[in-house]
Amino acid sequence: SFELTQPPSVSVSPGQTASITCSGDKLGDKYACWYQQKPGQSPVLVIYEDNKRPSGIPERFSGSNSGNTATLTISGTQAMDEADYYCQAWDSGTTYVVFGGGTRLTVL
Amino acid sequence: QLQLQESGPGLVKPSETLSLTCTVSGGSISSPGYYWGWIRQPPGKGLEWIGSIYYTGSAYYNPSLQSRVTISVDTSKNQFSLKVISVTAADTAVYYCATDTQTAAGNNWFDPWGQGTLVTVSS
Repeated sequence: SFELTQPPSVSVSPGQTASITCSGDKLGDKYACWYQQKPGQSPVLVIYEDNKRPSGIPERFSGSNSGNTATLTISGTQAMDEADYYCQAWDSGTTYVVFGGGTRLTVL
Repeated sequence: QLQLQESGPGLVKPSETLSLTCTVSGGSISSPGYYWGWIRQPPGKGLEWIGSIYYTGSAYYNPSLQSRVTISVDTSKNQFSLKVISVTAADTAVYYCATDTQTAAGNNWFDPWGQGTLVTVSS
């Protein structure tokens, strides 16, 4: 079955760039999206179709997807970006929606 | 702007059936291109997709849950529902409903999400 793997945690200093990876077999042949979830809140879509930002999402959030890895990049990371981040893709061969295990971003 | 709201019992006994409803406001559940999905999150753990349904009633499910899950839609009430039979403690989770946008290119994303509702399975 198709699986997505994320690092459990990533740390970044305020103002620096954070990169969160999501790995899966030939993930670059599919589209990836990313969600931000703060404690006690529902997930919020921050990137869809690899690199598109929904309305209202700051420009510091960007995405890429190639080969076996999708990457969420947060430039000029702010304290408010501290959250759990989940990648997600759709395995069209099985019509199966898959989430990564999630990455906790800590802004030190 | 679409808004989704989950409702249903917060406590279910083991071996019984979990039933939740999601009410959609700010738009029609019959809008083309939108599926409607259920996702759950056990306490302290990650997200797990349960299944999604189109307004026509066409649904697809997570293979790991398919034998116990049914998702249905009521277009007259702008609602869709989830039933999970034979629940155990492992089904304890926050259950979210969400708009599932799917494209002809073969991808999807969930946006927006409901606020979520905690369902505890316990006697």
